[in-house]
Amino acid sequence: EPEVTQTPSHQVTQMGQEVILRCVPISNHLYFYWYRQILGQKVEFLVSFYNNEISEKSEIFDDQFSVERPDGSNFTLKIRSTKLEDSAMYFCASSEFSGRNIQYFGAGTRLSVL
Amino acid sequence: AQSVSQHNHHVILSEAASLELGCNYSYGGTVNLFWYVQYPGQHLQLLLKYFSGDPLVKGIKGFEAEFIKSKFSFNLRKPSVQWSDTAEYFCAVNAASGSARQLTFGSGTQLTVLP
Repeated sequence: EPEVTQTPSHQVTQMGQEVILRCVPISNHLYFYWYRQILGQKVEFLVSFYNNEISEKSEIFDDQFSVERPDGSNFTLKIRSTKLEDSAMYFCASSEFSGRNIQYFGAGTRLSVL
Repeated sequence: AQSVSQHNHHVILSEAASLELGCNYSYGGTVNLFWYVQYPGQHLQLLLKYFSGDPLVKGIKGFEAEFIKSKFSFNLRKPSVQWSDTAEYFCAVNAASGSARQLTFGSGTQLTVLP
């Protein structure tokens, strides 16, 4: 079964540094998403991406965050000037262009900001 | 705005016991409903989904869920759990129409099945 893959599985960074989280969505999918889960809290939507542009974003997704599809396979989330409260599990997901919107998730990247 | 409530944060059962995990949602329009499972160290995996039609849906690994529109509920059930069902279970919804595709998740239920 095709999978969404995320790298790295664990990223440790110092406060104020920039991090890039990487995702390879399922190959024929056209919609891409980032979610995050702070320890002990709900999985929260960050952003969705379609046709090389952001289609929706939450209030969490401020100027500190950006997304990019740099080539035909990768989908990245960049966090500039990380803060302690950015520590969380970040999940990438993808879905087909379909009215029946099933999102398939990666295993996540655990980001630890020290 | 959508919201999802999962009432049980941690459920502990013995093998062969029956399972029911509650999920209620709040949304002003038609929704798609999902249950995802996350086994330790693994990705969120789709258990089952409801888009329309028969409100009783069957998923993988013997799980089923019933959509009760009048109660805004989508409870997950399994008649007889196994030790391998130990995992975290997430209920999620998104809008059935329009451009909004984001999933709104419940807080999750950790299921522990004792051998």
